[in-house]
Amino acid sequence: AQSVAQPEDQVNVAEGNPLTVKCTYSVSGNPYLFWYVQYPNRGLQFLLKYITGDNLVKGSYGFEAEFNKSQTSFHLKKPSALVSDSALYFCAAINAGNNRKLIWGLGTSLAVNP
Amino acid sequence: DAGITQSPRHKVTETGTPVTLRCHQTENHRYMYWYRQDPGHGLRLIHYSYGVKDTDKGEVSDGYSVSRSKTEDFLLTLESATSSQTSVYFCASAPGPGANVLTFGAGSRLTVL
Repeated sequence: AQSVAQPEDQVNVAEGNPLTVKCTYSVSGNPYLFWYVQYPNRGLQFLLKYITGDNLVKGSYGFEAEFNKSQTSFHLKKPSALVSDSALYFCAAINAGNNRKLIWGLGTSLAVNP
Repeated sequence: DAGITQSPRHKVTETGTPVTLRCHQTENHRYMYWYRQDPGHGLRLIHYSYGVKDTDKGEVSDGYSVSRSKTEDFLLTLESATSSQTSVYFCASAPGPGANVLTFGAGSRLTVL
């Protein structure tokens, strides 16, 4: 079965420190990969996606993610965390060849402490 | 959340009553989706639409029906609400499947007593 795993329910990081939110996937064929962010009482917002090409993808608000095919991972990173980055982060994947339904991870709550 | 609105934003109802949630988008997107979000379950797809009058089931479709009579509107109906349907419901739209980005509404919080 196809799946997306976010192994950490919560990540805590100090403001100014680098942050990583982990995501691994199991999708048949070539994947398209996405990160979305959800602020409290809001809908999800798109951050970045990997389709093809450069394995390092840059997105909104200074976030980036690295596609690693051998490790089937797509970890979200930011060099210097802000308190305002505190939110719920979702990783999602879809099979590029059979692509009507996204597969979602369960989300990781990021807390950035001042 | 610009471009996609959900109504009502909050609703409390009683078990056994029908409930309809509305989603309206101004993006002219072909695809529309209804998700529910519950603690520990993330986002789960209820139904989706790939065009006017074209819909398909998601992973948790039992007890829900949808209709799409116009490109911009996607309705979710709980035919007889149950307490297990207490959740936050999100509508999303996209120009197409695959690599296209979803635009989400702000959510509708439904409580079934």
